[in-house]
Amino acid sequence: DAGVIQSPRHEVTEMGQEVTLRCKPISGHNSLFWYRQTMMRGLELLIYFNNNVPIDDSGMPEDRFSAKMPNASFSTLKIQPSEPRDSAVYFCASSLFRGPEQYFGPGTRLTVT
Amino acid sequence: KQEVTQIPAALSVPEGENLVLNCSFTDSAIYNLQWFRQDPGKGLTSLLLIQSSQREQTSGRLNASLDKSSGRSTLYIAASQPGDSATYLCAVRPVQGAQKLVFGQGTRLTINP
Repeated sequence: DAGVIQSPRHEVTEMGQEVTLRCKPISGHNSLFWYRQTMMRGLELLIYFNNNVPIDDSGMPEDRFSAKMPNASFSTLKIQPSEPRDSAVYFCASSLFRGPEQYFGPGTRLTVT
Repeated sequence: KQEVTQIPAALSVPEGENLVLNCSFTDSAIYNLQWFRQDPGKGLTSLLLIQSSQREQTSGRLNASLDKSSGRSTLYIAASQPGDSATYLCAVRPVQGAQKLVFGQGTRLTINP
């Protein structure tokens, strides 16, 4: 299996621009998670989906952030407009539906200048 | 609110030593605890997962223990090697928090040849 796939791996953008991060979960996994990692706050859950339905988005920092999962094999995390404080590594993870173990992708390193 | 703490933040030891990494959590009502390894610029690799009903798990030179009542877990690494150098993260899955993982800040481990 290819594991969780994220794109792009690196993104550099200017403040105010729209940023879209993409994730393809492991085939057969029905739960998908978006995390953000910063030096100050560590790894934090932003949102997760079960069977393409958002279950908990309490970690989404602001209305500038939105996430969608149009089908079982694809999810996006969008930031519009982006700000320098959004600079972080964004991880996607997937698991079997309510399964015990989460599998992480390689992350997208976002830099907003 | 569940909080996870890892001490020390960084550890440097000579090759061949046995070592212990510590993880503590504030709420003993957890579903499971997972230890991850993160290499610089890379994603998270799951090392060991301990269900709440278990006391320990072993994989090769790694052994993780769990003491729910005291809110503690340890990761024991035997006969350390330079390739073990990485950041080690522990994460708990709270019972009430459904599928979300709450992460510690990690311990950055350096094994010196």
